[in-house]
Amino acid sequence: DTGVSQDPRHKITKRGQNVTFRCDPISEHNRLYWYRQTLGQGPEFLTYFQNEAQLEKSRLLSDRFSAERPKGSFSTLEIQRTEQGDSAMYLCASSPYRDSEQYFGPGTRLTVT
Amino acid sequence: RKEVEQDPGPFNVPEGATVAFNCTYSNSASQSFFWYRQDCRKEPKLLMSVYSSGNEDGRFTAQLNRASQYISLLIRDSKLSDSATYLCVVNMNTGFQKLVFGTGTRLLVSP
Repeated sequence: DTGVSQDPRHKITKRGQNVTFRCDPISEHNRLYWYRQTLGQGPEFLTYFQNEAQLEKSRLLSDRFSAERPKGSFSTLEIQRTEQGDSAMYLCASSPYRDSEQYFGPGTRLTVT
Repeated sequence: RKEVEQDPGPFNVPEGATVAFNCTYSNSASQSFFWYRQDCRKEPKLLMSVYSSGNEDGRFTAQLNRASQYISLLIRDSKLSDSATYLCVVNMNTGFQKLVFGTGTRLLVSP
């Protein structure tokens, strides 16, 4: 499968724990995006990478959140000291150039208990 | 006011019906417009881009009215497989494609 992949698909964690998610974009795509989606809402933009550079961060991305894309390929999203409000689907998308379609991965569903 | 507003539905229609979804956006500087489809517990997928001149793809027709900041999607001859949530999406950024999604409109097509 040459689409966007995300790992893990599901994560259950206790409040206060740290979690890390991984996204592998489509191989020739240099643009990578993270979104968060809660029940009954559309996805909300979190952050954007062009190659390894993080060029935009949403105000939604508090200090507890950090994202990296060290070699311009895969990306990680870490949430420190998780809170129940962090429970959501975290979606990753990639695209090859500015105006092209964004291809979404299957998402990581996070549940914070 | 939300940046992109949609009626959440659900819209319950019989097979073969024509159904229309509407969406409004608040930022007049928005650059480009899309409809995405999202099946239950799946990722969003691009259905079609929306152009000022209007565009059609098979049974689907999208319209954009920049003056009214209004976007529409018309589905003709609805199929059971059209049952999904339809997300109105606006790109508000010139430097990269920063997508802003509406809450989505749920469509249920019944036999």
